[in-house]
Amino acid sequence: EIVLTQSPGTLSLSPGERATLSCRASQSVSSSYLAWYQLKPGQAPRLLIYGASSRATGIPDRFSGSGSGTDFTLTISRLEPEDFAVYYCQQYGSSPTFGQGTKVEIK
Amino acid sequence: QVQLQESGPGLVKPSETLSLTCTVSGGSISSYYWSWIRQPPGKGLEYIGYIYYSGTTNYNPSLKSRVTISLDTSENQFSLRLSSVTAADTALYYCARGPSHRAFDIWGQGTMVTVSS
Repeated sequence: EIVLTQSPGTLSLSPGERATLSCRASQSVSSSYLAWYQLKPGQAPRLLIYGASSRATGIPDRFSGSGSGTDFTLTISRLEPEDFAVYYCQQYGSSPTFGQGTKVEIK
Repeated sequence: QVQLQESGPGLVKPSETLSLTCTVSGGSISSYYWSWIRQPPGKGLEYIGYIYYSGTTNYNPSLKSRVTISLDTSENQFSLRLSSVTAADTALYYCARGPSHRAFDIWGQGTMVTVSS
């Protein structure tokens, strides 16, 4: 099983600031099958990024993904009020697994 | 557009079997993978398993002995059965489309299941 470790656990930032979230895999993620999701209470999870760097349909361009192999990053260039949420990375190359999440909170 | 809706009992007794159904609307269940994911209160997401429209399945190794996912193409639904439940199975259960090259691209709203006597 591929274990994903996200850091930091919590990120305290102000609207307009840049957020950088990290996801490290215990072994190489095949074909960059790495995704990022946004979760808010009472809402369905929202796919942001797939294939490590491809934005899903309707996702604003302030969200970007990068990385390969075992190290991946989600960047939110300028935080909007609606971006404060919990973010999960996921590998879906073999039996899927999720990271433990990073909470982006308002400072 | 394609929408998913989970349904099933919100309360299950310990040692019994949890059964949930996901109804797919706005599109066909054929030619895709379909998954179940859960989130215990205060914790992160946990993949449970998926089924392909051909019937091929994949389960989380930690749950494999207790999980069955099945498909009903005539009803455009897929289902989850989790046997011998305990309080640790209390969670918000989601159904989703995927995995595909676009990961899990469509999710249901989730349904809360509590295991308690």
